[in-house]
This record gives sequence, structure tokens and C-alpha cells, in this order.
Amino acid sequence: DVKVTQSSRYLVKRTGEKVFLECVQDMDHENMFWYRQDPGLGLRLIYFSYDVKMKEKGDIPEGYSVSREKKERFSLILESASTNQTSMYLCASRGKTQYFGPGTRLLVL
Amino acid sequence: GENVEQHPSTLSVQEGDSAVIKCTYSDSASNYFPWYKQELGKGPQLIIDIRSNVGEKKDQRIAVTLNKTAKHFSLHITETQPEDSAVYFCAASKGDSWGKLQFGAGTQVVVTP
Repeated sequence: DVKVTQSSRYLVKRTGEKVFLECVQDMDHENMFWYRQDPGLGLRLIYFSYDVKMKEKGDIPEGYSVSREKKERFSLILESASTNQTSMYLCASRGKTQYFGPGTRLLVL
Repeated sequence: GENVEQHPSTLSVQEGDSAVIKCTYSDSASNYFPWYKQELGKGPQLIIDIRSNVGEKKDQRIAVTLNKTAKHFSLHITETQPEDSAVYFCAASKGDSWGKLQFGAGTQVVVTP
């Protein structure tokens, strides 16, 4: 079974904090993605990576950065969290098909 | 770039009836079309996918059809059950493993007993 795991299911952070969301996949996939999901807006792509140390901006990269030091791990970083980054964050990994993690629900106070 | 439209946004069906969700895409080069089911509080799960060299694919009560000429594809769920209640997303991409998926906006399906 493909497994995409995310480090936290729920997170509460304060405005201005630096936030790390971790994602790990066990299928040796080269492609990994970070999305955010908000009611009425569907799934929006933040960043993606085609290989180790490679990253490309998605549709809404502002306020975020990413890190891919190892093939299996893709991290999303909120440099200075703001209340408008309160959302559900979904990591995905893709080989011939794309699999999602369970999501991290982030609340920024 | 690719644009995927999904209809309807909500769908209410009686248990045992069929449900159909339709998606259209804009880029004729797209060749991979997955469907995801998302239950409350969980990440989307792949339920079925189809590639452009196939017109229809079935898996038990779920089927997907693809019309490349018209650039639309549909998800069919037969004999719906309460556990089919969820949000369903369609998506499209070009290429194989390297293509980014473009998602539809989602359909909330409610199956009433």
C-alpha cells in the first residue's frame, strides 16, 4: 500500500511563528506536491517538486517555501504565519498515480 | 493552461439510485483523468482513473467514461449506499507521472437512506 504521511493532523500556531509541515512518502516517487484546501476554493497547488533539491511554484506560493533534501520527504514552511493561512494542507506524492496524505488542519491565531 | 469544470456542485440521491458527475477539460493534450473521493476530515483517495487510450473503465459499482472528442469525462456510481456520501473531485493532466493534476471544484454527494 502506498503511504503518504503528514507529521500532524492538527496544529495551532500564533501569528508570526515559523511553521513546518512535514510529508513523507514510501513509494520512491520523484514528484511531490503541497496543496491547500479551503471551502468553496477546491484544491490549490502551493509548490511542487520533481526531484531532490528541485522545487517549482504552484498557483499560490506567496507566504510559503519548501524543502526537499531527501527523495521521500517534502516540507512546507510558513515563514511567518498569518491568520489567512488557516487552512487544510494536503501533501501528495505521484508516480503513475497520485496519492494524498491525510491532511494537516492548521489554525493560526 | 488546463481548466477543468465539474458539475453538479451538489448531488442528492436516494439510496440504491445512480449518481453521475460530469467534468469537462480544455487542453486536448490531457491524457490522464483520475477521480478522488474525500470523506469528512480526510485526504482525497483515488477511486478510479482512466487514460486516453481507453473509453470506459469499471470497478464494481464505479465506472468512468471518457469522450476525447468532446473533452469530457464522467463518473458513474450505481446502487448508491450511504457510505458513498463524500466530496468527489475529478482531475486531468498531460504526460504520465510528471504532469501536474488540474482539479475540478468538487461535487458534494449525499446519499439518503
